[in-house]
Amino acid sequence: EVQLVESGGTVVQPGGSLRLSCAASGFTVSSNHMSWVRQAPGKGLEWVSVFYNGRSTSYADSVEGRFTISRDNSKNTLYLQMNNLRAEDTAIYYCARVITIVGVHYYYYMDVWGKGTTVTVSS
Amino acid sequence: DIQMTQSPSSLSASVGDRVTITCRASQNINNYLNWYQQKPGEAPKVLIYAASSVQSGVPSRFSGSGSETDFTLTISSLQPEDFATYYCQQSHNLFTFGPGTKVEIK
Repeated sequence: EVQLVESGGTVVQPGGSLRLSCAASGFTVSSNHMSWVRQAPGKGLEWVSVFYNGRSTSYADSVEGRFTISRDNSKNTLYLQMNNLRAEDTAIYYCARVITIVGVHYYYYMDVWGKGTTVTVSS
Repeated sequence: DIQMTQSPSSLSASVGDRVTITCRASQNINNYLNWYQQKPGEAPKVLIYAASSVQSGVPSRFSGSGSETDFTLTISSLQPEDFATYYCQQSHNLFTFGPGTKVEIK
């Protein structure tokens, strides 16, 4: 069964750091693009970061310079290192597999999602 | 950056109704547009990709259309399990989600 399980969410003080993990099963992280998406309490979805299987990465402006996405192929796990956390980073963090469909163009969408892990930034 | 808007932000409808949700991009995104459904306490689920392609396993009452800057998600006959929040997402340049449309029971 294809599955993603996030972990690592907790309460952390402003300015603190945290590393989230996303363990994959049923498929290989290194062969896929992978992404993090977050959702603040009562709010909509916000894309955070993507790790392309060619090893390039991209970030939303709101987290650029503070968050780092990475992966451990031996553990089939995706990570999100979050530094200098702010109250506005409080959210459920989801990881998702990004599928590529090759047609006239290359189409990307998120087809498998984890259940999420909750990060609360508060003193 | 590409900005996404959706209308309406919420709607009330009855079982069996035809429902249409609109999504607009701040610039031409061709057909790099996906639609997701999210129920309370659950992760999002993809419904439509590339503006009009229905994801495997998604009921045929869901359809998508549009190109460039204007897109539509249509539910042809609303079912009880369709009450949820719907998000559009552009994938032309990285990813951006729309603010969501909450579909509630009338």
